[in-house]
Amino acid sequence: EPEVTQTPSHQVTQMGQEVILRCVPISNHLYFYWYRQILGQKVEFLVSFYNNEISEKSEIFDDQFSVERPDGSNFTLKIRSTKLEDSAMYFCASTTPATDTQYFGPGTRLTVL
Amino acid sequence: AQSVTQLGSHVSVSEGALVLLRCNYSSSVPPYLFWYVQYPNQGLQLLLKYTTGATLVKGINGFEAEFKKSETSFHLTKPSAHMSDAAEYFCAVSGNTGFQKLVFGTGTRLLVSP
Repeated sequence: EPEVTQTPSHQVTQMGQEVILRCVPISNHLYFYWYRQILGQKVEFLVSFYNNEISEKSEIFDDQFSVERPDGSNFTLKIRSTKLEDSAMYFCASTTPATDTQYFGPGTRLTVL
Repeated sequence: AQSVTQLGSHVSVSEGALVLLRCNYSSSVPPYLFWYVQYPNQGLQLLLKYTTGATLVKGINGFEAEFKKSETSFHLTKPSAHMSDAAEYFCAVSGNTGFQKLVFGTGTRLLVSP
């Protein structure tokens, strides 16, 4: 069964450094998402992406964040200058209108020191 | 705006007992409703969903949920708990298309004792 994959599974970085989290959505999906889950808290929406542009973003998704689909398979989330409070599990998801369901990847645990 | 309330951050049951996880939602449009399960150190797996049509929906692993518009609820049930059901369960709501953002509740951790 097709699945969403994410790399790396765990990323440790120093405050102020740039990080790029990578996702490979399911191949025929057209809508892509990033969510995050701070430890012990609920899953929060960050951004949705369709047709090579952002379709919606949350208040969390400020100028420090950006997303890109650099080729036909990858979908990336970049945090330009990481803060301690960016430490969280980041989930990528994808969907297509035919399914009404967002499929989630296993997540990348980001730890900012 | 949409929101989800999950009553009970932890629910404990004995193996073989009924599982009931509560979810209430708020939505200004007819909602799509979802239950996801998260096992330790894993991603979110869809258990079941309600979009339109039959209000009682069945999912994987013997779980089911009923959409009650009058009560704005979408409670998750399973007649008989199994040890392998121990996990975190998240209720989520979206607008009435499949590609709108999901708004999650705070989650309920299900503990199953022998």
